[in-house]
Amino acid sequence: QVQLVQSGPEVKMPGASVKVSCKASGYTFTSLGINWVRQAPGQGLEWMGWSSTNNEKTNFAHKFQGRVTMTTDTSTSTAYMELRSLTSDDTAVYYCARDPRPSAERKNWFDPWGQGTLVTVSS
Amino acid sequence: DIVMTQSPDSLPVSLGERATISCKSSHSVLDSSNSKNYLAWYQQKPGQPPKLLTYWASIREYGVPDRFSGSGSGTDFTLTINSLQAEDVAIYYCQQYYSTPPTFGQGTKVEIK
Repeated sequence: QVQLVQSGPEVKMPGASVKVSCKASGYTFTSLGINWVRQAPGQGLEWMGWSSTNNEKTNFAHKFQGRVTMTTDTSTSTAYMELRSLTSDDTAVYYCARDPRPSAERKNWFDPWGQGTLVTVSS
Repeated sequence: DIVMTQSPDSLPVSLGERATISCKSSHSVLDSSNSKNYLAWYQQKPGQPPKLLTYWASIREYGVPDRFSGSGSGTDFTLTINSLQAEDVAIYYCQQYYSTPPTFGQGTKVEIK
Protein backbone atom coordinates (compact mmCIF):
# COMPACT_ATOMS: atom_id res chain seq x y z
CA GLN A 1 0.00 0.00 0.00
CA VAL A 2 1.04 3.61 -0.43
CA GLN A 3 3.03 4.75 2.57
CA LEU A 4 5.11 7.72 3.65
CA VAL A 5 7.46 7.05 6.57
CA GLN A 6 9.17 10.01 8.19
CA SER A 7 12.31 10.32 10.28
CA GLY A 8 12.26 10.44 14.06
CA PRO A 9 11.83 13.32 16.50
CA GLU A 10 14.41 16.07 16.70
CA VAL A 11 15.47 18.51 19.39
CA LYS A 12 17.31 21.58 18.18
CA MET A 13 18.80 24.72 19.65
CA PRO A 14 17.54 28.11 18.47
CA GLY A 15 19.42 29.17 15.36
CA ALA A 16 20.10 25.61 14.26
CA SER A 17 18.76 23.74 11.22
CA VAL A 18 16.72 20.57 10.98
CA LYS A 19 16.33 18.15 8.09
CA VAL A 20 13.32 15.84 8.03
CA SER A 21 13.05 12.89 5.67
CA CYS A 22 10.01 11.22 4.14
CA LYS A 23 10.46 7.82 2.50
CA ALA A 24 7.78 6.77 0.05
CA SER A 25 6.73 3.28 -0.95
CA GLY A 26 3.91 1.55 -2.75
CA TYR A 27 3.85 3.76 -5.84
CA THR A 28 6.11 5.34 -8.44
CA PHE A 29 7.84 8.06 -6.43
CA THR A 30 8.56 10.31 -9.42
CA SER A 31 4.96 10.44 -10.57
CA LEU A 32 3.57 12.70 -7.83
CA GLY A 33 4.78 15.71 -5.85
CA ILE A 34 5.33 15.94 -2.12
CA ASN A 35 4.04 18.67 0.14
CA TRP A 36 5.14 19.64 3.63
CA VAL A 37 2.62 20.77 6.24
CA ARG A 38 3.31 21.65 9.84
CA GLN A 39 1.20 21.74 12.97
CA ALA A 40 2.27 23.64 16.09
CA PRO A 41 1.20 22.10 19.41
CA GLY A 42 -2.55 22.35 19.79
CA GLN A 43 -2.81 24.38 16.60
CA GLY A 44 -4.06 23.98 13.04
CA LEU A 45 -2.40 22.95 9.81
CA GLU A 46 -0.01 25.18 7.85
CA TRP A 47 1.23 24.41 4.35
CA MET A 48 4.94 25.06 3.96
CA GLY A 49 5.62 24.14 0.38
CA TRP A 50 5.71 21.63 -2.44
CA SER A 51 8.47 19.75 -4.16
CA SER A 52 8.43 18.01 -7.50
CA THR A 53 9.84 14.49 -7.44
CA ASN A 54 10.99 14.41 -11.08
CA ASN A 55 12.69 17.79 -11.48
CA GLU A 56 14.04 20.61 -9.33
CA LYS A 57 10.80 22.57 -9.10
CA THR A 58 9.64 23.78 -5.72
CA ASN A 59 7.01 26.19 -4.44
CA PHE A 60 7.16 27.64 -0.95
CA ALA A 61 4.79 29.57 1.25
CA HIS A 62 5.96 33.18 1.49
CA LYS A 63 6.75 33.00 5.19
CA PHE A 64 9.27 30.20 4.65
CA GLN A 65 11.00 31.49 1.53
CA GLY A 66 14.71 31.88 2.12
CA ARG A 67 14.63 29.62 5.15
CA VAL A 68 13.46 26.28 3.74
CA THR A 69 14.84 23.83 1.23
CA MET A 70 12.91 20.89 -0.19
CA THR A 71 14.72 18.17 -2.10
CA THR A 72 14.16 14.63 -3.28
CA ASP A 73 16.38 11.59 -3.82
CA THR A 74 14.81 9.42 -6.50
CA SER A 75 17.30 6.60 -5.87
CA THR A 76 15.81 6.05 -2.43
CA SER A 77 12.30 7.47 -3.05
CA THR A 78 12.87 9.95 -0.25
CA ALA A 79 11.87 13.58 0.11
CA TYR A 80 13.62 15.99 2.44
CA MET A 81 12.66 19.26 4.08
CA GLU A 82 15.35 21.40 5.70
CA LEU A 83 14.40 24.40 7.81
CA ARG A 84 17.10 26.83 8.95
CA SER A 85 17.45 29.53 11.61
CA LEU A 86 15.05 27.76 13.93
CA THR A 87 13.19 29.60 16.68
CA SER A 88 10.81 28.37 19.34
CA ASP A 89 7.96 29.24 16.97
CA ASP A 90 9.14 26.41 14.73
CA THR A 91 8.33 23.82 17.38
CA ALA A 92 5.77 21.66 15.61
CA VAL A 93 4.94 18.33 14.05
CA TYR A 94 6.08 18.35 10.44
CA TYR A 95 4.17 16.20 7.96
CA CYS A 96 4.93 15.20 4.42
CA ALA A 97 1.85 14.62 2.29
CA ARG A 98 1.63 13.41 -1.28
CA ASP A 99 -0.21 14.94 -4.19
CA PRO A 100 -3.03 12.52 -5.04
CA ARG A 101 -2.79 13.11 -8.79
CA PRO A 102 -0.62 14.91 -11.31
CA SER A 103 -1.69 18.51 -11.64
CA ALA A 104 0.08 21.05 -13.83
CA GLU A 105 -1.49 23.80 -11.73
CA ARG A 106 -0.50 22.04 -8.50
CA LYS A 107 -4.05 22.35 -7.23
CA ASN A 108 -4.41 19.35 -4.98
CA TRP A 109 -5.69 17.97 -1.76
CA PHE A 110 -3.21 15.80 0.14
CA ASP A 111 -3.25 12.03 0.43
CA PRO A 112 -1.69 10.13 2.06
CA TRP A 113 0.22 11.79 4.89
CA GLY A 114 3.33 10.66 6.71
CA GLN A 115 3.10 9.90 10.40
CA GLY A 116 4.66 13.23 11.35
CA THR A 117 7.98 14.29 12.85
CA LEU A 118 8.07 16.32 16.05
CA VAL A 119 10.68 19.05 15.96
CA THR A 120 11.30 20.77 19.27
CA VAL A 121 13.30 23.97 19.36
CA SER A 122 14.56 24.76 22.82
CA SER A 123 17.64 26.08 24.53
CA ASP B 1 -4.34 34.02 0.73
CA ILE B 2 -7.82 32.50 0.97
CA VAL B 3 -8.97 32.42 4.59
CA MET B 4 -11.00 29.39 5.64
CA THR B 5 -13.27 29.81 8.65
CA GLN B 6 -14.96 26.86 10.33
CA SER B 7 -17.81 26.86 12.80
CA PRO B 8 -18.30 25.90 15.47
CA ASP B 9 -14.89 25.45 17.09
CA SER B 10 -16.30 22.69 19.29
CA LEU B 11 -19.32 20.48 18.66
CA PRO B 12 -20.75 18.15 21.31
CA VAL B 13 -23.05 15.57 19.74
CA SER B 14 -24.84 12.58 21.21
CA LEU B 15 -24.04 9.14 19.86
CA GLY B 16 -26.29 8.34 16.92
CA GLU B 17 -27.10 11.98 16.28
CA ARG B 18 -26.00 14.18 13.36
CA ALA B 19 -22.99 16.48 13.43
CA THR B 20 -22.84 19.41 11.02
CA ILE B 21 -19.67 21.45 10.50
CA SER B 22 -19.55 24.64 8.44
CA CYS B 23 -16.60 25.93 6.43
CA LYS B 24 -16.60 29.33 4.74
CA SER B 25 -13.94 30.65 2.38
CA SER B 26 -12.99 34.30 1.90
CA HIS B 27 -12.98 33.77 -1.86
CA SER B 28 -14.97 31.42 -4.02
CA VAL B 29 -13.21 28.10 -4.59
CA LEU B 30 -15.50 27.18 -7.48
CA ASP B 31 -13.84 26.99 -10.87
CA SER B 32 -16.57 27.89 -13.32
CA SER B 33 -14.62 26.38 -16.23
CA ASN B 34 -15.07 22.86 -14.83
CA SER B 35 -17.80 23.42 -12.22
CA LYS B 36 -15.57 21.96 -9.50
CA ASN B 37 -15.20 23.20 -5.96
CA TYR B 38 -11.60 22.93 -4.79
CA LEU B 39 -12.44 21.93 -1.23
CA ALA B 40 -11.37 18.92 0.86
CA TRP B 41 -12.21 17.68 4.34
CA TYR B 42 -9.92 15.82 6.73
CA GLN B 43 -10.32 14.02 10.04
CA GLN B 44 -7.51 14.11 12.59
CA LYS B 45 -7.45 11.95 15.70
CA PRO B 46 -5.00 12.62 18.56
CA GLY B 47 -1.44 11.65 17.73
CA GLN B 48 -2.32 10.84 14.12
CA PRO B 49 -1.89 12.64 10.82
CA PRO B 50 -4.93 14.05 9.05
CA LYS B 51 -6.95 11.53 7.07
CA LEU B 52 -8.68 12.54 3.84
CA LEU B 53 -12.47 12.27 3.96
CA THR B 54 -13.72 14.09 0.88
CA TYR B 55 -12.40 16.11 -2.06
CA TRP B 56 -14.03 18.19 -4.80
CA ALA B 57 -16.29 19.21 -1.90
CA SER B 58 -18.43 16.07 -2.03
CA ILE B 59 -16.48 13.09 -3.38
CA ARG B 60 -15.98 10.62 -0.57
CA GLU B 61 -12.53 9.02 -0.44
CA TYR B 62 -12.44 5.27 -0.91
CA GLY B 63 -13.04 3.48 2.37
CA VAL B 64 -14.63 6.42 4.17
CA PRO B 65 -17.96 5.41 5.75
CA ASP B 66 -20.99 6.77 3.96
CA ARG B 67 -22.19 8.52 7.13
CA PHE B 68 -19.66 11.22 6.16
CA SER B 69 -20.85 13.57 3.44
CA GLY B 70 -19.62 16.87 2.07
CA SER B 71 -21.72 19.50 0.37
CA GLY B 72 -21.74 23.14 -0.67
CA SER B 73 -20.42 25.37 -3.41
CA GLY B 74 -18.63 28.66 -3.92
CA THR B 75 -17.80 29.94 -0.46
CA ASP B 76 -20.03 27.86 1.83
CA PHE B 77 -19.45 24.21 2.59
CA THR B 78 -20.66 21.63 5.07
CA LEU B 79 -19.40 18.33 6.41
CA THR B 80 -22.16 16.18 7.82
CA ILE B 81 -21.64 13.12 9.97
CA ASN B 82 -24.84 11.12 10.17
CA SER B 83 -25.37 8.90 13.20
CA LEU B 84 -22.22 9.85 15.09
CA GLN B 85 -20.11 6.93 16.27
CA ALA B 86 -17.61 6.92 19.13
CA GLU B 87 -14.75 6.53 16.67
CA ASP B 88 -15.73 9.80 14.97
CA VAL B 89 -14.42 11.85 17.90
CA ALA B 90 -11.73 13.94 16.23
CA ILE B 91 -10.84 17.35 14.87
CA TYR B 92 -12.12 18.06 11.37
CA TYR B 93 -10.44 20.44 8.96
CA CYS B 94 -11.49 21.88 5.63
CA GLN B 95 -8.86 22.83 3.06
CA GLN B 96 -9.06 24.86 -0.14
CA TYR B 97 -6.79 23.98 -3.02
CA TYR B 98 -8.16 26.54 -5.47
CA SER B 99 -5.16 28.80 -5.09
CA THR B 100 -1.64 28.75 -3.68
CA PRO B 101 -1.01 28.62 -0.82
CA PRO B 102 -3.50 25.90 0.01
CA THR B 103 -5.08 26.88 3.31
CA PHE B 104 -6.94 25.11 6.08
CA GLY B 105 -9.73 26.02 8.44
CA GLN B 106 -8.85 26.28 12.11
CA GLY B 107 -10.52 22.96 12.87
CA THR B 108 -13.72 21.80 14.57
CA LYS B 109 -13.48 19.44 17.51
CA VAL B 110 -16.29 16.88 17.54
CA GLU B 111 -16.91 15.24 20.91
CA ILE B 112 -19.54 13.08 22.54
CA LYS B 113 -22.22 14.92 24.48
